[in-house]
Amino acid sequence: DVKVTQSSRYLVKRTGEKVFLECVQDMDHENMFWYRQDPGLGLRLIYFSYDVKMKEKGDIPEGYSVSREKKERFSLILESASTNQTSMYLCASSLFKGLAGDTFTDTQYFGPGTRLTVL
Amino acid sequence: QKEVEQDPGPLSVPEGAIVSLNCTYSNSAFQYFMWYRQYSRKGPELLMYTYSSGNKEDGRFTAQVDKSSKYISLFIRDSQPSDSATYLCAMGPSGGYNKLIFGAGTRLAVHP
Repeated sequence: DVKVTQSSRYLVKRTGEKVFLECVQDMDHENMFWYRQDPGLGLRLIYFSYDVKMKEKGDIPEGYSVSREKKERFSLILESASTNQTSMYLCASSLFKGLAGDTFTDTQYFGPGTRLTVL
Repeated sequence: QKEVEQDPGPLSVPEGAIVSLNCTYSNSAFQYFMWYRQYSRKGPELLMYTYSSGNKEDGRFTAQVDKSSKYISLFIRDSQPSDSATYLCAMGPSGGYNKLIFGAGTRLAVHP
């Protein structure tokens, strides 16, 4: 089974603090993703990475940065936390492979989420 | 207009009912379609996937894709209280490093 773990389930930080959220996957997946999830807005993609040291902006990258130094680990960084970054943060990973039979690309497997509160 | 529209509910049904969850989309390039289930305070877990059009069945769950209408459905037969969760549809074009586009999720409550 694919396992995606996130460093914290709950986190409380103060405005202006630098916040690190870590995600680790154990299935040698190529792609990793960071989302935030807010009521009524669904899942919104912040950043994703398709290879070590590679990153691509998602739909809402402002105020965030990411780091992927190792294949299994993808970190989300809030440079200076603000109250509007209070949210549930979800990490996901997927294995890129060509379509073959019943398999297909980009099934994403999610971690349990980190509920971040910024005061 | 959002690329993927999903009624947020909540949807409340009695145990044993047939549940129909739906999403509409606007991008004709979408080729693969997924349903995720998310229990409260947990991450989404993949429930069903289909590629292109057609139906797929897995136990009490059936996923349908109608590409001509840009409409996908998830049916749950003999619904159970343990099915109470938020159901998210997700979709994307085939291949490459393309992103999945998620619906906002429908909250389902199955009461005994």
